[in-house]
Amino acid sequence: AAGVIQSPRHLIKEKRETATLKCYPIPRHDTVYWYQQGPGQDPQFLISFYEKMQSDKGSIPDRFSAQQFSDYHSELNMSSLELGDSALYFCASSLGAGGGPVEKLFFGSGTQLSVL
Amino acid sequence: DAKTTQPTSMDCAEGRAANLPCNHSTISGNEYVYWYRQIHSQGPQYIIHGLKNNETNEMASLIITEDRKSSTLILPHATLRDTAVYYCIVRLYGNKLVFGAGTILRVKS
Repeated sequence: AAGVIQSPRHLIKEKRETATLKCYPIPRHDTVYWYQQGPGQDPQFLISFYEKMQSDKGSIPDRFSAQQFSDYHSELNMSSLELGDSALYFCASSLGAGGGPVEKLFFGSGTQLSVL
Repeated sequence: DAKTTQPTSMDCAEGRAANLPCNHSTISGNEYVYWYRQIHSQGPQYIIHGLKNNETNEMASLIITEDRKSSTLILPHATLRDTAVYYCIVRLYGNKLVFGAGTILRVKS
């Protein structure tokens, strides 16, 4: 079965550079979630989208932005990168958020971002 | 969403049942109990969820106490591949999934 696809798997950037992470949800899933997991930490919710509209927002820095496109894929844009942004970034998808029942989230394998 | 409390870590012998407890004493009537796990640096994986009745699927069983203030995830025959961090999460249907401090389960041969 198709899973959530994230690209790239690894990304190395310098401080103050920008980065774009991509997420392709499972076909027919209409909701995308982004999580950040620092070394030795638990995943932290950043932001979610339902039907291309932002549905919830967590601890996402102002330097980060995200959107969901018409084909339901999502991109997380990160600017003015800092050393502390080094983390594993997970995307998850589900069917039916935004008021409807959400049974479970399916997570991708993540993008490992290293800021040097 | 209600907060949960889990043991920091647990050990289990391979082939034996792993019983992972979770306390959620402030759970409200329409909040569900979800369990996810994360194998080292992989994306979290859904295991099971329930509201008030006990649930079972191909991965695990979920036992929820009658007052719903605690629950237990049961892996009936733990294998080395079940070594992971297990997260008990209480949430309303449709809300974001918030990960707290989970239980590190170590399955040993």
